[in-house]
Amino acid sequence: NAGVTQTPKFQVLKTGQSMTLQCAQDMNHEYMSWYRQDPGMGLRLIHYSVGAGITDQGEVPNGYNVSRSTTEDFPLRLLSAAPSQTSVYFCASKIGKTQYFGPGTRLLVL
Amino acid sequence: DAKTTQPPSMDCAEGRAANLPCNHSTISGNEYVYWYRQIHSQGPQYIIHGLKNNETNEMASLIITEDRKSSTLILPHATLRDTAVYYCIVDTGANSKLTFGKGITLSVRP
Repeated sequence: NAGVTQTPKFQVLKTGQSMTLQCAQDMNHEYMSWYRQDPGMGLRLIHYSVGAGITDQGEVPNGYNVSRSTTEDFPLRLLSAAPSQTSVYFCASKIGKTQYFGPGTRLLVL
Repeated sequence: DAKTTQPPSMDCAEGRAANLPCNHSTISGNEYVYWYRQIHSQGPQYIIHGLKNNETNEMASLIITEDRKSSTLILPHATLRDTAVYYCIVDTGANSKLTFGKGITLSVRP
């Protein structure tokens, strides 16, 4: 299994641009989540999904959209990027009581 | 707010046991204690979890006090590769909403 994969690894955007961060897992996990991590801080939950077609907001959802059309994929969309969204983004999937995290996407918004 | 309290940092010598403390005095009866670690900005990695009994796996041991208000993660023979930020988290495990605090930075010295 490849586990949780994220693309791209690094992205630079200009303020106002849009983009989609991709996340995929091949473990058939129902739960998937998106977190962001800012320097010197722990991870904060953005959005999560308990299964295909079901999503909900986390702690810091503003400025982000998600959808879950398949079990495998959980993309995160930034509709109009802002400098405050400069961060490292981690996707995770969960089975039982264990979460598995992807390698992260480093996003810089100028 | 994180439900756990961890010292900001500690160090230990390579080959010695690393004992990482965590206080969770407000833990509920249905909440588990989880430990994750994050090595140099990689995605967090699951280590171990427990409810009230001590647990051991190939990576570490988890000792939970009888009143469940605190716990200790033990890395029996620390290596340089164990240098990381270690997060202690309490959660029911029922959904994807892990709440990460700032964790404890473990530095393993040669």
